[in-house]
Amino acid sequence: QSALTQPASVSGSPGQSITISCTGTSSDVGGYDYVSWYQQHPGKAPKLMIFDVSYRPSGVSNRFSGSKSGSTASLTISGLRAEDEADYYCTSYSLSSSVIFGGGTKLTVL
Amino acid sequence: QVQLQESGPGLVKPSQTLSLTCTVSGGSISSGGYYWSWIRQHPGKGLEWIGYIYYSGSTYFNPSLKSRVTISVDTSKDQFSLKLSSVTAADTAVYYCARTGVSHATLDVWGHGTTVTVSS
Repeated sequence: QSALTQPASVSGSPGQSITISCTGTSSDVGGYDYVSWYQQHPGKAPKLMIFDVSYRPSGVSNRFSGSKSGSTASLTISGLRAEDEADYYCTSYSLSSSVIFGGGTKLTVL
Repeated sequence: QVQLQESGPGLVKPSQTLSLTCTVSGGSISSGGYYWSWIRQHPGKGLEWIGYIYYSGSTYFNPSLKSRVTISVDTSKDQFSLKLSSVTAADTAVYYCARTGVSHATLDVWGHGTTVTVSS
């Protein structure tokens, strides 16, 4: 299974909005509404931010939102803050009952 | 709330078997509704799903690692374990365990991770 495709890096200024894409195939992202997004700060474990394409776990800011069109899912962060600077990973459930990760995107808050 | 903690040797010799255990607290592996996953992260790289197990013992693996991976569960201790055979330096990584929602594969609770170095 190949990793889902994410941009290596994105950046934005405080207060702005950014979007990170996650592209797969009909066997994963396109075939199921089971895309999740994770935030990882350096030296820390990943934290679930979005599940099932667009749902936020309790405690996650509503500045984080998710969507999907075809085989591409997206994470949007609005009102960027310095603490949003981190690596972001998408995952999808896959046809073979497995989990497939995206390659990760480094978000820089300018 | 549910917490996960990885444990095991931090140094493994090449060609040997890497063995790690994840202990679940604040909940029971046997309660169902979740798979229990292993994930790794090579130094400075992205995350890689290794595989998961259900409390009944059903397992699913990343095809690229399937031939070398064993995942087992001990419901009496609320633990699940990873064994990775014939390791090389390429298996040096931080290894995480995580609770995983059945059918939608959401990794909603993670351990802190444990670093394993493969070196002689």
